[in-house]
Amino acid sequence: GAGVSQSPSNKVTEKGKDVELRCDPISGHTALYWYRQSLGQGLEFLIYFQGNSAPDKSGLPSDRFSAERTGGSVSTLTIQRTQQEDSAVYLCASSSLAGETQYFGPGTRLLVL
Amino acid sequence: AQKVTQAQTEISVVEKEDVTLDCVYETRDTTYYLFWYKQPPSGELVFLIRRNSFDEQNEISGRYSWNFQKSTSSFNFTITASQVVDSAVYFCALSEDFSSGSARQLTFGSGTQLTVLP
Repeated sequence: GAGVSQSPSNKVTEKGKDVELRCDPISGHTALYWYRQSLGQGLEFLIYFQGNSAPDKSGLPSDRFSAERTGGSVSTLTIQRTQQEDSAVYLCASSSLAGETQYFGPGTRLLVL
Repeated sequence: AQKVTQAQTEISVVEKEDVTLDCVYETRDTTYYLFWYKQPPSGELVFLIRRNSFDEQNEISGRYSWNFQKSTSSFNFTITASQVVDSAVYFCALSEDFSSGSARQLTFGSGTQLTVLP
């Protein structure tokens, strides 16, 4: 079966522009997570979705970051008014249930110029 | 708060040597899960193992083995007879008991870059 997919693989944008990153979880997985991997901060949790419950947004670094998950499947992470410090690899993971093993996608490498 | 420490930033070994990657964790939960992931140069995080806090049995999978010791809050990973293909960054991670109602995210260590030389 297909794993977690993410698009685009790479994104270069100018400071101040908005970007959308997409994640397709493994089919049937109810839990979806976004993480960010940057040189200075390592791997950081951003947001978590579980079924139809309200998302856990405790890891979002600022109000410029938001995410949604439509139909309990595909998720989009949006960064508004991008800043250079937003440059990082954004990783999506899914698991069959909350707390089960998370399987990661290949990531989106974001570069803000 | 959870914390995972991987004190070894980089390790370099020659092929066929054994190598152990250290992981020390902190948590207030009595029920938690520990993980190891591999990140090869391609960048994708590959799941290796998941262990719950009630299972302290060591595990072996081929050339890989894991030593979980609650007394020292450690979950170390050993690669026996290392190969060049083992070269990657290895991350140890911790998650709280999913039934606690709190966030279910992984807390990662900073990773250990393993280089296996031919």
